[in-house]
Amino acid sequence: GENVEQHPSTLSVQEGDSAVIKCTYSDSASNYFPWYKQELGKGPQLIIDIRSNVGEKKDQRIAVTLNKTAKHFSLHITETQPEDSAVYFCAASFSSGGYNKLIFGAGTRLAVHP
Amino acid sequence: DVKVTQSSRYLVKRTGEKVFLECVQDMDHENMFWYRQDPGLGLRLIYFSYDVKMKEKGDIPEGYSVSREKKERFSLILESASTNQTSMYLCASSSPGGGATNEKLFFGSGTQLSVL
Repeated sequence: GENVEQHPSTLSVQEGDSAVIKCTYSDSASNYFPWYKQELGKGPQLIIDIRSNVGEKKDQRIAVTLNKTAKHFSLHITETQPEDSAVYFCAASFSSGGYNKLIFGAGTRLAVHP
Repeated sequence: DVKVTQSSRYLVKRTGEKVFLECVQDMDHENMFWYRQDPGLGLRLIYFSYDVKMKEKGDIPEGYSVSREKKERFSLILESASTNQTSMYLCASSSPGGGATNEKLFFGSGTQLSVL
């Protein structure tokens, strides 16, 4: 069935280090892969997304890579800062009943220590 | 900025009560969604709506219903609340992309519901 697996569930890094979160998806027809950041007490907010016709996308300190053959995609955060501490969710689009919907991973709690 | 407002931040209800969770968006978005967030399970889609008076079941619709009488408002209804419905509920909205793809979702801050 439709599934998105996300690893690790928790990640602790020192300020300035890089952080990588990985996701795999089950449906080879998925073509849209967003990443959401949820800060404490707030709803998730889109930070970056990638479509299946692109292998990599960057936006300042964050980047996403996609390997369609292996059905996995990753979020890379460089030069981490304490304000990057949050829960991060990956998602993949799935087609069902004529509609596209997003299936989310379980989330990764990132802690950046000063 | 898009604003998605959920009526309550915290809610405590008794088993068997009928519960209404309200969500309003101010950007004239066609699409609205209700998700449930549980630790270790991520966000799971309960119901969604692509138009007024239209609703579609998501992945976990059992025990829930929805109502969309106006474009800006999407209500989640727990007909008879149970303890296993204790959770964080997130409402979201989006504009349609090409091919009915879910484009960028704008989430509310969530309602933490406790059913005792």
